[in-house]
Amino acid sequence: QSALTQPASVSGSPGQSITISCTGTSSDVGTYNYVSWYQQHPGKAPKLMICDVSNRPSGVSSRFSGSKSGNTASLTISGLQAEDEADYYCSSYASSFTLFGGGTKLTVL
Amino acid sequence: QVQLQESGPGLVKPSETLSLTCTVSGYSISSGYYWGWIRQPPGKDLEWIGSIYHSGSTCYNPSLKSRVTISVDTSKNQFSLRLSSVTAADTAVYYCARGTMFRGVLIRADFWGQGTLVTVSS
Repeated sequence: QSALTQPASVSGSPGQSITISCTGTSSDVGTYNYVSWYQQHPGKAPKLMICDVSNRPSGVSSRFSGSKSGNTASLTISGLQAEDEADYYCSSYASSFTLFGGGTKLTVL
Repeated sequence: QVQLQESGPGLVKPSETLSLTCTVSGYSISSGYYWGWIRQPPGKDLEWIGSIYHSGSTCYNPSLKSRVTISVDTSKNQFSLRLSSVTAADTAVYYCARGTMFRGVLIRADFWGQGTLVTVSS
């Protein structure tokens, strides 16, 4: 069982929007605004897509957005494109640790 | 563009020491940020191992601290990982990454290497 809970898979059609959730506790996601999201294509290095809950690093498409409510953070991808098909991982600061989620496989139908 | 590349043996015997090096290009380690290691055992979550600043200041995951040493060689723009007394549980894909820390803990990694699989087996 992962420290941060993500759905194993989500899917959507091109042009649609999808949301991936990342559920932690009041000791991590619920207290600190240090939630990040990473995209990983097979055999490739992870890429930082969102940091500090909702900030997009330079070069990341505005179709990617992040938010948080209570102990759950969310990554939303709008206008789905075939290239968005990948694994997505969340992470959160948790005092002495960095917690990661188990990852969500996004399939673009 | 910042690029990182891991190198080292892909097979390590139980009880021995795992050693990996990360070579950074496109950015000088001495210019800032923390440089660290993250691993992912097969079928399991990512796990932050530890990070180092160019000054040599280190931060380690408490669960691995007793077995981990991270060092930096700014002249070669490289940093290295040593993990001692390995067991099968240390089998994982090991990534090096550039990161930002908060209170001694990694909060984001903005550039990663491709990762290298290290298997612990006799």
